[in-house]
Amino acid sequence: AQSVTQLGSHVSVSEGALVLLRCNYSSSVPPYLFWYVQYPNQGLQLLLKYTSAATLVKGINGFEAEFKKSETSFHLTKPSAHMSDAAEYFCAVSDNKGAQKLVFGQGTRLTINP
Amino acid sequence: EPEVTQTPSHQVTQMGQEVILRCVPISNHLYFYWYRQILGQKVEFLVSFYNNEISEKSEIFDDQFSVERPDGSNFTLKIRSTKLEDSAMYFCASSDQRGGSETQYFGPGTRLLVL
Repeated sequence: AQSVTQLGSHVSVSEGALVLLRCNYSSSVPPYLFWYVQYPNQGLQLLLKYTSAATLVKGINGFEAEFKKSETSFHLTKPSAHMSDAAEYFCAVSDNKGAQKLVFGQGTRLTINP
Repeated sequence: EPEVTQTPSHQVTQMGQEVILRCVPISNHLYFYWYRQILGQKVEFLVSFYNNEISEKSEIFDDQFSVERPDGSNFTLKIRSTKLEDSAMYFCASSDQRGGSETQYFGPGTRLLVL
């Protein structure tokens, strides 16, 4: 069965600092990996996804993530945090079987300090 | 930009009552999903739906739950007899293609509180 672990339920960084949100996955087949962001009172919005093309994936709002098969990781980074990045971030995995359900991690709440 | 919409945004109900959560997926999408998130827990898959049939359902999706596409635009989740533990945020999602790499587009959610 697939699973996702996000290390750190809360991450706090200063404005302008590097953002690093960790995601490790478990999958018996080559995975598809997603990062979603949820702003207060809004739905989940796709930031980026890995679909077995380039291992370094660029997304919206300056975020990127690198798929590392040897480490079973898909960490999300942004070089310089902005106050508007404060939100909850979810890593998710799916495969190409069945109806493509997403399996989510528990989420990481990112706080940006001025 | 097309988006998934959900109504109501909040619903409070008494235990044992029936609730219907409504979703309008993106208009040209063919695959529909419901997920839920109990406060403080992970977002969990409930059910997927295609061509007027359930494609897959989780263990959570028992006989108390049902889904329906009553017309060409709406997709509903019904809980027949709500329990306290059904209190959660319920998300609807849709996608236009089949395949694990396809993006699922999520609505803003309905927060259900069962008293």
